[in-house]
Amino acid sequence: EAQVTQNPRYLITVTGKKLTVTCSQNMNHEYMSWYRQDPGLGLRQIYYSMNVEVTDKGDVPEGYKVSRKEKRNFPLILESPSPNQTSLYFCASSPRTSGREQYFGPGTRLTVT
Amino acid sequence: AQKVTQAQTEISVVEKEDVTLDCVYETRDTTYYLFWYKQPPSGELVFLIRRNSFDEQNEISGRYSWNFQKSTSSFNFTITASQVVDSAVYFCALSLESYGKLTFGQGTILTVHP
Repeated sequence: EAQVTQNPRYLITVTGKKLTVTCSQNMNHEYMSWYRQDPGLGLRQIYYSMNVEVTDKGDVPEGYKVSRKEKRNFPLILESPSPNQTSLYFCASSPRTSGREQYFGPGTRLTVT
Repeated sequence: AQKVTQAQTEISVVEKEDVTLDCVYETRDTTYYLFWYKQPPSGELVFLIRRNSFDEQNEISGRYSWNFQKSTSSFNFTITASQVVDSAVYFCALSLESYGKLTFGQGTILTVHP
């Protein structure tokens, strides 16, 4: 089954404790990205990747890091999480061909206390 | 810069009523793509439709229909004969590439009461 998976689905952590949210897709998509969803703001892009070893900042990159060492994986790293990073996070992927929609993972709800 | 506005924060209807969700977008590009996503209470994002800027034909899929008007920069979504299962948050989004960054609206919370 074609899908984007994220782990963990739920995470409660404390300020300053480094964490990684994994994202993996099995569709051989070139393009992957991370969004965060906050009430009243919709979803905003954090980082994206056009292909292996190619990443760039989205609209709200502060406090996040990403890497793309393999085509299928695109982890999101919070090196020193803060309470303002409490949010719902989505990973997405799509092929770099015209006419295809983006596929979203199930979401990761992160709480930083 | 691109912008998507969903002015209706929350809509409440009774089952079987028709409801229209508004979406207004801003972009200077002539080639762009518009999307609607549904987010049910379970939280996942469900793709509903994609439209490119060169295709202004309205689309109907069962009880769902979409009205794309470039003249007013709008891409409105109508649910006919709403059902309780339509209760969700609906997002309109814009992309300059069919695969690229999505700029989302704020979302509209739709509640359908039995």
